[in-house]
Amino acid sequence: AQSVAQPEDQVNVAEGNPLTVKCTYSVSGNPYLFWYVQYPNRGLQFLLKYITGDNLVKGSYGFEAEFNKSQTSFHLKKPSALVSDSALYFCAVRARLSGGSYIPTFGRGTSLIVHP
Amino acid sequence: NAGVTQTPKFQVLKTGQSMTLQCAQDMNHNSMYWYRQDPGMGLRLIYYSASEGTTDKGEVPNGYNVSRLNKREFSLRLESAAPSQTSVYFCASSEGSIALYYEQYFGPGTRLTVT
Repeated sequence: AQSVAQPEDQVNVAEGNPLTVKCTYSVSGNPYLFWYVQYPNRGLQFLLKYITGDNLVKGSYGFEAEFNKSQTSFHLKKPSALVSDSALYFCAVRARLSGGSYIPTFGRGTSLIVHP
Repeated sequence: NAGVTQTPKFQVLKTGQSMTLQCAQDMNHNSMYWYRQDPGMGLRLIYYSASEGTTDKGEVPNGYNVSRLNKREFSLRLESAAPSQTSVYFCASSEGSIALYYEQYFGPGTRLTVT
């Protein structure tokens, strides 16, 4: 089985401050990790992914994420938050399941609110 | 290049009615998915199709059926709608055949209310 936890339902940050949105995962085998963003009344948009290699992954809109195998975490970060970053953020994991499928599992989402 | 499109955008059904949600992608992707999104529940996979001609159950398939009509189109059918199926439904696609490292592309969603 595989699972993803986003321990915070909501994260509040002031514009210009660094932000972190947390994600931890549980899989058997090597994980493939993703972050998506959802703006109101829209579908999810891909931000970045970790497949292998460098533990620090850079993505769209200035976001980055750090893969930490020992802590089984993949936290999303941005050095300086913008009001326009306010949205719902989803972490997802894919790993090989029994039977060979690779169904992705999504976290419950974290609402990021950036205050002016 | 429209990406992933879904119709309709909104729908209200009475309990027991049926309907089909349509999804199409123009990215030549092999894999397609249907999810439902409920508050506090994140996204839950209903069905997926690894390639044209194949479909498989996801986490919450009960009450739904799917058809992979061709490589572009993947429809979701509710045969007898129930209030518990009130949700926002998203279609998604990805390259490859349920491969590990391909990100998914999502449609804009269908907001369904069952009364």
